[in-house]
Amino acid sequence: DIQMTQSPSSLSASVGDRVTITCRASQDIYNYLAWFQQRPGEAPKSLIYAASSLQRGVSSKFSGSGSGTDFTLTISSLQPEDFATYYCQQYYNHPRTFGQGTKVEIK
Amino acid sequence: EVQLVESGGGLVQPGGSLRLSCEVSGFTFTSYWMNWVRQAPGKGLEWVANINLDGGEKYYVDSVKGRFTISRDNAKNSLFLQMNSLRVEDTAVYYCARGYDLDVWGQGTTVTVSS
Repeated sequence: DIQMTQSPSSLSASVGDRVTITCRASQDIYNYLAWFQQRPGEAPKSLIYAASSLQRGVSSKFSGSGSGTDFTLTISSLQPEDFATYYCQQYYNHPRTFGQGTKVEIK
Repeated sequence: EVQLVESGGGLVQPGGSLRLSCEVSGFTFTSYWMNWVRQAPGKGLEWVANINLDGGEKYYVDSVKGRFTISRDNAKNSLFLQMNSLRVEDTAVYYCARGYDLDVWGQGTTVTVSS
């Protein structure tokens, strides 16, 4: 199975900050990577697919980059609604696997 | 509007069974792989299973192989998860999600396995 490792596991940031979350795959997954946001008590929401493509309707303050084994999610200017947990997931092969999550908290 | 609505969750004793359903609307169901993903209380997301367009290919996470069965009824725009031999560790919110890249999710249904 492909292991997905996110860092950091949590971070504290202020409104307006630029935030970067990294995700590393245990083997080459090309660009078969997605990013999700989950606010407390809500279902996950897809943000990014194919490592860098923005889902329809998602704010352009979110961006993704990377290929192979190393990926990043960047939030350009953190807003109150962005405080949530973020997950990466590979869909290169089965079983699909998620990272452990990165909780973004208010400083 | 694209919608996925899960149902069928509840409280069940260890060793029991449940059948989850996911009714979809607003898109062509037969054009998408479909997935089940779960989240145990206070934990992260775990992919459980997926199924291809016509139901001929199915994949599972190792921990549910032989106990859970994913299926779909394309005529009824519905996805199912038959869960047998349930364990305490299967307690979670179960979500259905659309497509290869899980681009749309339902609101989830809660399964509690407890004596």
